[in-house]
Amino acid sequence: AQSVTQPDIHITVSEGASLELRCNYSYGATPYLFWYVQSPGQGLQLLLKYFSGDTLVQGIKGFEAEFKRSQSSFNLRKPSVHWSDAAEYFCAAGGGGGADGLTFGKGTHLIIQP
Amino acid sequence: DGGITQSPKYLFRKEGQNVTLSCEQNLNHDAMYWYRQDPGQGLRLIYYSQIVNDFQKGDIAEGYSVSREKKESFPLTVTSAQKNPTAFYLCASQTGGDAYGYTFGSGTRLTVV
Repeated sequence: AQSVTQPDIHITVSEGASLELRCNYSYGATPYLFWYVQSPGQGLQLLLKYFSGDTLVQGIKGFEAEFKRSQSSFNLRKPSVHWSDAAEYFCAAGGGGGADGLTFGKGTHLIIQP
Repeated sequence: DGGITQSPKYLFRKEGQNVTLSCEQNLNHDAMYWYRQDPGQGLRLIYYSQIVNDFQKGDIAEGYSVSREKKESFPLTVTSAQKNPTAFYLCASQTGGDAYGYTFGSGTRLTVV
């Protein structure tokens, strides 16, 4: 069965510090991979996506993610977080060329300490 | 500006009542989706539709129904058969297959009173 795992339910980071959010996937083939961010009571906004090619992808708001096939991982990183980055972050995966839905992880809640 | 509109933002329902959540998009997207979000559970797929007049059950379709009579609209009805309907409901759309990711609406929070 397809699955996406975000091992960390909560992460607390000091403002200005670096950030890494973990994501592991289990798929039959290399899936399409996404990171979304959600502010409280809002919908999800796409940060970045990976299809193929360069394994380091750049996204909006200064985020990047690295695809590692050997580790089945797609971790999200940011060199220096801002208080406005506090939110819920979701990793998601989809397979093939169809449109039958993405599989989401359970999310990581990011807390920024002043 | 193009986007997805969900209404209402907050909805209260008495036990035993059916309610319908609205989702409208003006992005000309072919596929539309309904997800349910519960704390600590991530997003779970309820129903999806790849084209007009066709839809498929997702992972947690029991107690829900949908229709897709127009490309722009994909309403979700939460029926009285849904045992635990209190949740945050998100509608999404996309075109071109899963590779392109979704555009999400801002959600509807349903509370059973």
